[in-house]
Amino acid sequence: DGGITQSPKYLFRKEGQNVTLSCEQNLNHDAMYWYRQDPGQGLRLIYYSQIVNDFQKGDIAEGYSVSREKKESFPLTVTSAQKNPTAFYLCASSIHGRGDSNQPQHFGDGTRLSIL
Amino acid sequence: AQKVTQAQTEISVVEKEDVTLDCVYETRDTTYYLFWYKQPPSGELVFLIRRNSFDEQNEISGRYSWNFQKSTSSFNFTITASQVVDSAVYFCALSDRDDKIIFGKGTRLHILP
Repeated sequence: DGGITQSPKYLFRKEGQNVTLSCEQNLNHDAMYWYRQDPGQGLRLIYYSQIVNDFQKGDIAEGYSVSREKKESFPLTVTSAQKNPTAFYLCASSIHGRGDSNQPQHFGDGTRLSIL
Repeated sequence: AQKVTQAQTEISVVEKEDVTLDCVYETRDTTYYLFWYKQPPSGELVFLIRRNSFDEQNEISGRYSWNFQKSTSSFNFTITASQVVDSAVYFCALSDRDDKIIFGKGTRLHILP
């Protein structure tokens, strides 16, 4: 079945460490997104990519980095510069990016990141 | 600037009651899209509906219905004859020419047996 796979489901990080969250999709979607979810905050956009080798900052990009070397993969690195990384992270994809904002986003199951 | 407001943080209703989740949005664009997503306890977001700004017809899908009113910038979601499986967090979202989707803070819905 086609879908979005996020791994791991739970992740623990020591302070000062970088950690990378995986997101893979086999839907052949051009666009991919990373969101952060905190209680009472809804979803906030971290980074998004509308095409391979291109990505843009979202609303809360500080302390995060991404890469988009392959269409199916959009890993998110939470760096030590992110002072409050504990949250639920959701990856999403949509068929097209630029100019097709009507396309719904399909989401993975999420990764819950906690600080030790 | 875009904004989505879901004023109801949490709602509890008894099973079989009808419940309406409110969504009010702000955008300066004339072309935009509105969405509803469901997030069950397992965490993933499930797409429910997409509506474009030129189509104000209300939509019904089984027990779900959506009321889009441009005059009040609202896109409300009604569940008829609610069931325990409807318990989830529901997000309203808006996308305009920037291609990004802005989400509301969500409404947590509890359906009590």
